[in-house]
Amino acid sequence: DIVMTQSPDSLAVSLGERATINCKSSQTILHSSNNRNYLAWYQQKPRQPPRLLIFWASIRASGVPDRFSASGSGTDFTLTISSLQAEDLAVYYCQQYYSTPSTFGQGTKLEIK
Amino acid sequence: EVQLVESGGGLVQPGRSLILSCAASGFSFDDFAMHWVRQVPGRGLEWVSSITWNSGNIAYADSVRGRFTISRDNAKRSIFLQMSSLRVEDTALYYCAKDTRGGFTSGWMDHWGHGTLVTVSS
Repeated sequence: DIVMTQSPDSLAVSLGERATINCKSSQTILHSSNNRNYLAWYQQKPRQPPRLLIFWASIRASGVPDRFSASGSGTDFTLTISSLQAEDLAVYYCQQYYSTPSTFGQGTKLEIK
Repeated sequence: EVQLVESGGGLVQPGRSLILSCAASGFSFDDFAMHWVRQVPGRGLEWVSSITWNSGNIAYADSVRGRFTISRDNAKRSIFLQMSSLRVEDTALYYCAKDTRGGFTSGWMDHWGHGTLVTVSS
């Protein structure tokens, strides 16, 4: 199984500042056939289900504010919130869908400093 | 509007069975694969099982293979998770989630239900 490891486990950022979350896969999730990275990012606010933010490693899902961006390839990926808003308080998860079983990172809790 | 509504959770003793359901609306249900993902309260997400649009491909996590069975009824726009030989460690909130593609058991999930809580305890 592909292991997804996020860092840090928790992060405190001031409003208006940049937040960066990292995700590393135990093997490449870049598929050579289509040059796509099989990675998604989700946001989970307290007492809510996860919400899709990003797919194919860098494409924002419908309705996601453009302060959210993501990048990376192969085994190393990053989610960036360019200017943190109060409503961004949440746990963020990466997920690989390169192979079954699909696996999630352990989550990064984003707090407001 | 896409809606996924899970039901069937509850308190059950170890070794017993339970069936979860997920009713879907707001999209062309039989075009998409569907997933069950669980979450122990306060913990992370764990993929449990997936089923493709026509039930042609099904996959399970190692932790539930042989005990859980996923199925779908496209006419009823529903998926199911038959859970048997339940263990204390199966206690979790079980989410139903929609894939964005039809033919893959591993994909990203663009809509999620609110979950149904399964508690396995004596």
